[in-house]
Amino acid sequence: DQQVKQNSPSLSVQEGRISILNCDYTNSMFDYFLWYKKYPAEGPTFLISISSIKDKNEDGRFTVFLNKSAKHLSLHIVPSQPGDSAVYFCAASGNQFYFGTGTSLTVIP
Amino acid sequence: DAGVIQSPRHEVTEMGQEVTLRCKPISGHNSLFWYRQTMMRGLELLIYFNNNVPIDDSGMPEDRFSAKMPNASFSTLKIQPSEPRDSAVYFCASSPWRTTYNEQFFGPGTRLTVL
Repeated sequence: DQQVKQNSPSLSVQEGRISILNCDYTNSMFDYFLWYKKYPAEGPTFLISISSIKDKNEDGRFTVFLNKSAKHLSLHIVPSQPGDSAVYFCAASGNQFYFGTGTSLTVIP
Repeated sequence: DAGVIQSPRHEVTEMGQEVTLRCKPISGHNSLFWYRQTMMRGLELLIYFNNNVPIDDSGMPEDRFSAKMPNASFSTLKIQPSEPRDSAVYFCASSPWRTTYNEQFFGPGTRLTVL
């Protein structure tokens, strides 16, 4: 049972444009959400997080939005850079902890 | 700090053999996590420890899988006997916090292939 879903396996964006990565969850007990970035042959690295008491958290070019009623969160990267090309995982924590399946982002120079 | 260290980086074995994956967490971190990554299921949490004590092993797929943390600087994940469907990348992560609400620091992973 996949409680955290990233329905887009891949995404391609032109350099300088906005990248939007989406994540949906089913468990209403999740109250903290995290995004990780993963390069090939490396472990994931933490990017940004958000608590369920907020609907937005921003860190430089990265912003995470949370819509609790829709059980949906998104990661916005503006402007996108070629170095952002990686696999992005969302994760949800609460009474349980789950990662999504990941979205592979390619930023085209 | 060297970060989380995992060994081996690659392991190829035959079905039925015992496999042991090793992890050295970042010094001073209280929590240690084992994950399995596959294309179909993404990153799955298998088990995590707080202060060397297993807290949640509900993600361990079968009795063939076992994990130990004999001290704060070492953990093992063992598969016995191994099967082809165990082929995946296994990650170890550590954290200075006690919960899954906070950032985890991942090792580079062990790519396991069971023939």
